[in-house]
Amino acid sequence: AQSVTQLDSQVPVFEEAPVELRCNYSSSVSVYLFWYVQYPNQGLQLLLKYLSGSTLVESINGFEAEFNKSQTSFHLRKPSVHISDTAEYFCAVSESNAGNMLTFGGGTRLMVKP
Amino acid sequence: ETGVTQSPTHLIKTRGQQVTLRCSSQSGHNTVSWYQQALGQGPQFIFQYYREEENGRGNFPPRFSGLQFPNYSSELNVNALELDDSALYLCASSLGLAEEYEQYFGPGTRLTVT
Repeated sequence: AQSVTQLDSQVPVFEEAPVELRCNYSSSVSVYLFWYVQYPNQGLQLLLKYLSGSTLVESINGFEAEFNKSQTSFHLRKPSVHISDTAEYFCAVSESNAGNMLTFGGGTRLMVKP
Repeated sequence: ETGVTQSPTHLIKTRGQQVTLRCSSQSGHNTVSWYQQALGQGPQFIFQYYREEENGRGNFPPRFSGLQFPNYSSELNVNALELDDSALYLCASSLGLAEEYEQYFGPGTRLTVT
């Protein structure tokens, strides 16, 4: 069975600073990788995903993540954060040929300070 | 196109009681998944329904059961409630089982068991 580890439960950062949210996974088969964002009192929203092809994937709001198969990682980065990026971020995986059932990490709370 | 909706928003039940949570998927979405998100944790997969049949199940006891209806609505039923069942319950719908189909999450139902 697969598992997902998000190494940092909280990441405080000042506005306009860069940020990296770390995600490592373990699985015995090929996986697909996702980052979701959860704003207070809201459901999860897909931020970006890796299914195949280029290992660097980008979102429309400036986030990017790189799939590193040898390190089994899918870290999320943004070069300059905004106050509005304050939220909970979840990394998730699904195994190939297993439908789109997701296994989530424990989440990282990104706190952007002015 | 309407989003995924869930009802009720909040619910308080007593240990031992039964509860039914409801989800209305986006039109045309034949796949629905349910997740349990305990406070401060990532969502955990409960089960998935595809075309009204259970397609997969996580590590949850049989007292967690579900139904999916032809009108794109679904239910999560929990019998013999326990204190540890207190959590945010999320449903997510998608066009199908393949990983490239994005899962759209509802805002969740917060269940408190006292």
